[in-house]
Amino acid sequence: KQEVTQIPAALSVPEGENLVLNCSFTDSAIYNLQWFRQDPGKGLTSLLLIQSSQREQTSGRLNASLDKSSGRSTLYIAASQPGDSATYLCAYSGNTPLVFGKGTRLSVIA
Amino acid sequence: GAGVSQTPSNKVTEKGKYVELRCDPISGHTALYWYRQSLGQGPEFLIYFQGTGAADDSGLPNDRFFAVRPEGSVSTLKIQRTERGDSAVYLCASSLSSDYEQYFGPGTRLTVT
Repeated sequence: KQEVTQIPAALSVPEGENLVLNCSFTDSAIYNLQWFRQDPGKGLTSLLLIQSSQREQTSGRLNASLDKSSGRSTLYIAASQPGDSATYLCAYSGNTPLVFGKGTRLSVIA
Repeated sequence: GAGVSQTPSNKVTEKGKYVELRCDPISGHTALYWYRQSLGQGPEFLIYFQGTGAADDSGLPNDRFFAVRPEGSVSTLKIQRTERGDSAVYLCASSLSSDYEQYFGPGTRLTVT
């Protein structure tokens, strides 16, 4: 069964901290990996897409890496801000469209 | 530009009724996806269209669920004889083609009473 595990399930940090969110997956036939942000009661906003030939992507304060051999991806958020508070979901596409984890709920305290 | 839109944003229906949920993808996107998200869970794949045809419907839970995309643009997810367990947020996404970045709509929150 295809599974995505996100650790931790919840995280609370003071403003300004750098933090890392972890994602692991069991499917070795991964193609793309995508990180999303979801605010309460809202849809998903795409943050970063790592394609099969890539190992990392960066956008502003966000950096995502992908290691297919170990089945892991990390999302690094630099200098966190209260506006970063949301649930962060990782998902991969392989033999089917996106398989999602349950997300990490992040709270950044001012 | 306009993103993915979904209507209605909320739908409350009684057990046993029929419902239709609509998705308008980003213009020019040939791939369209439906997902379902229950509280505290990540979205789960339901069905994927490439153009007008369903390329993968392996995620549909049973034959009460059906989706169409007759002209390769707007899609409708149809649920017959709704059950309380169908209550969830139904998300639609589109992409330029398969394996490209997916863009999600705001979702339709379905509540079956």
